[in-house]
Amino acid sequence: GAGVSQSPSNKVTEKGKDVELRCDPISGHTALYWYRQSLGQGLEFLIYFQGNSAPDKSGLPSDRFSAERTGGSVSTLTIQRTQQEDSAVYLCASSLHGSQETQYFGPGTRLLVL
Amino acid sequence: KQEVTQIPAALSVPEGENLVLNCSFTDSAIYNLQWFRQDPGKGLTSLLLIQSSQREQTSGRLNASLDKSSGRSTLYIAASQPGDSATYLCAVRWSSNTGKLIFGQGTTLQVKP
Repeated sequence: GAGVSQSPSNKVTEKGKDVELRCDPISGHTALYWYRQSLGQGLEFLIYFQGNSAPDKSGLPSDRFSAERTGGSVSTLTIQRTQQEDSAVYLCASSLHGSQETQYFGPGTRLLVL
Repeated sequence: KQEVTQIPAALSVPEGENLVLNCSFTDSAIYNLQWFRQDPGKGLTSLLLIQSSQREQTSGRLNASLDKSSGRSTLYIAASQPGDSATYLCAVRWSSNTGKLIFGQGTTLQVKP
């Protein structure tokens, strides 16, 4: 596609439910990143994929958060047993190869946990 | 601890003014630094990427400079326009092994007609 796409654009869920957020990177981009943007914390790194492997998961805030990437393309970020503090905008980015490249961001998924 | 700071948090200028946005970072051993723009309710748009070996990058009316030794980067916007109104974010990558960017809190710019 022309850019990074994310779905859904908005998600409202109840505390304790699981949610899945999807990211489609720019075609051909091997590196994929997830970030979270919240009012109190600014923009925080969550996880980095190179191909299907995740060499850096250091930003995942708890074991309720997990992510996978299949076929070197689409990625899914899963949050289990959501809490109100998980409410944020979840942003996905991709880059052509990895560390030297510009990261291109998607529009984000706005998650609200009630 | 590796941190990125942007000052001021907000800036308002009249149209046509040249302006400078500031970004400072701890630990001068950066890999690269990227400037982004974010419009309300939208994702991030990449503006300029400066590798650690570079001193500046230019794109149109934008010029970003990097001084690693002092831990600073500046984004210069020439002849500002109302359409430049947005939040500008500075992000630093410290490692070549990970794509992890550490972001500043941003500077929200308002350019008044």
